Amino acid sequence: EAEVAQSPRYKITEKSQAVAFWCDPISGHATLYWYRQILGQGPELLVQFQDESVVDDSQLPKDRFSAERLKGVDSTLKIQPAELGDSAMYLCASSTPRDTVNEQFFGPGTRLTVL
Amino acid sequence: LAKTTQPISMDSYEGQEVNITCSHNNIATNDYITWYQQFPSQGPRFIIQGYKTKVTNEVASLFIPADRKSSTLSLPRVSLSDTAVYYCLVGLYSGAGSYQLTFGKGTKLSVIP
Repeated sequence: EAEVAQSPRYKITEKSQAVAFWCDPISGHATLYWYRQILGQGPELLVQFQDESVVDDSQLPKDRFSAERLKGVDSTLKIQPAELGDSAMYLCASSTPRDTVNEQFFGPGTRLTVL
Repeated sequence: LAKTTQPISMDSYEGQEVNITCSHNNIATNDYITWYQQFPSQGPRFIIQGYKTKVTNEVASLFIPADRKSSTLSLPRVSLSDTAVYYCLVGLYSGAGSYQLTFGKGTKLSVIP
């Protein structure tokens, strides 16, 4: 069964350092999402891509976060500089509409710890 | 962004039906409701999605009343493996085929033997 791949699975960094996360969606899925999930809370959408274009980045802290999906396939989320409050699980998901259902398939996530 | 409210936690015995309600009092006709299940250290997994009335699949049912101010996920005959956190996700239509997506804070379901 096709899956969304993410790497690394775990990342520990010091504050003010730069970090980057990678996501490879399910083949053929045009829509890609990055979420941040703080422990004990629901996922918060950071950015949504349709192919290589950003559809929604209204909740992305643009002073330190950036995301790209240059060829409309895999994607990278970057944080520079990292802050203590960025410690969270970063989830990537992809989807393709099937009839009227838009099911998102999530990857295993990257657990970020900022020291 | 949509505002959603779910109970923080619920307990149920094995074999019982469980109903989890999500309140979302500002959704419109084109907005959809989706429910996801999440186990520790894993990404959420899709359960069911609907726009109105009732939707049923092989694992759950979703009830959406006419006023659409809430939705209820129904899990028939839960087992220990259904212990997880359940999230409702509201997709607010923002035009041109796009939706603003908001997850609730989740309901931790504990199934007791």
